[in-house]
Parts: sequence; C-alpha cells; structure tokens
Amino acid sequence: EAGVVQSPRYKIIEKKQPVAFWCNPISGHNTLYWYRQNLGQGPELLIRYENEEAVDDSQLPKDRFSAERLKGVDSTLKIQPAELGDSAVYLCASSRWGQSTYEQYFGPGTRLTVT
Amino acid sequence: QKEVEQDPGPLSVPEGAIVSLNCTYSNSAFQYFMWYRQYSRKGPELLMYTYSSGNKEDGRFTAQVDKSSKYISLFIRDSQPSDSATYLCAMSADGNQFYFGTGTSLTVIP
Repeated sequence: EAGVVQSPRYKIIEKKQPVAFWCNPISGHNTLYWYRQNLGQGPELLIRYENEEAVDDSQLPKDRFSAERLKGVDSTLKIQPAELGDSAVYLCASSRWGQSTYEQYFGPGTRLTVT
Repeated sequence: QKEVEQDPGPLSVPEGAIVSLNCTYSNSAFQYFMWYRQYSRKGPELLMYTYSSGNKEDGRFTAQVDKSSKYISLFIRDSQPSDSATYLCAMSADGNQFYFGTGTSLTVIP
C-alpha cells in the first residue's frame, strides 16, 4: 500500500510570494489532515477534511491560508502571501473513517523556508 | 498552559538501556493516547496507541496511561541505535482532534 504522498518536499520562497502544497492520501482514506510543525515542536492541526468537507478549520489562518480537497481525494494547501513566520514543515496525514480514526498516517512533509 | 507537556530532552542512552519517555496533560476528557516516532526529515510514524487507561505492549515497546495522574509513558526495552529519533506523544478526546507534545529527542549510543 502506497503511503501519503506530498510535494514538493522542499520549497524556498521570498516573503509575500504565494506557495502551494499538494497531498495525495492513502487510497480509500476519506479523512485528511493538514498540520504545521515548527522546529522543535509537535504538529499543530490546520484543517481536517471528511471527504471533501472541511469539518475543522478553526486553526487555519484564513486571511492568508486556504485549502481545498476536490472530489474528496487529493488536497492542496495554499499560502498567499507568505510571511517569515510561515517557515515550517507542512504535514499531510490521512485515516480511514470507520477504522480507528486515531490511526493517522503521515506523509514526509513539505519543508517551507520563507526568506 | 499547554494541553500536553513533554520534556524535549535531549536524552542520550547506551545501547541496551531501558528508555522511559513521558507526557503530562491537563484535559481530563482525553481518552485516546498515542506515541509517534519521527526520524529526521520524515513524517511521524504511529508506534503505539491506547484507549483509556492501562498498559499496552508491542515487542520492545510498552505504553502506559495513568488517567488519575494525567500521565502517560512509553518504555523502550533493549534500546537500539535505530531507535534514535524524536518521540511525540499525542492525545485526543474524540479520536478526531489530536494534541501533540513537543517531542523528546532520543539518541542511543552503540
């Protein structure tokens, strides 16, 4: 079974530029999470999808962050414009509804550096 | 006060030692408890999960939950250099929203 795929793995941009991250969850997993992990910290939830519906986006900074999950499969997280403080690793995770939902499988993450 | 507190370490032990990793929490509604291992520049990998209180063992790993003290532990027996990683605890009240600790960095010296 293929794992969670994320791209790009690394991204360096200048502040005020836009950036987008892509995630392909494990096949059949209807729940998808985007987390942000700062250096030396644990992951913090940004948004959670059940199929194509965002069921928890309370921690998503909506003034500059947006996300979508078309057709309930792949997802894209966008930042526009990026700020220096957005430098972090952005992790995507997925799980299967009906299975133990705490069995989240993480992708390798996208390491964003904003200069 | 953070929902979950975890000593960041770093922790350095000789090969073969028993390792004890711990987290405390403040939310008494938490009932799902997980431990993840994260190698450098990789995503977290689920190691152990426990529902409610009690112990769970899987090979060299044992997870313990003490809800009365709001304290969870992960024990690693016969530690190996390949166990060198950052260990994250995570907790949830509903199985959907998870709160992670900051992670403890572990190095096992051959």
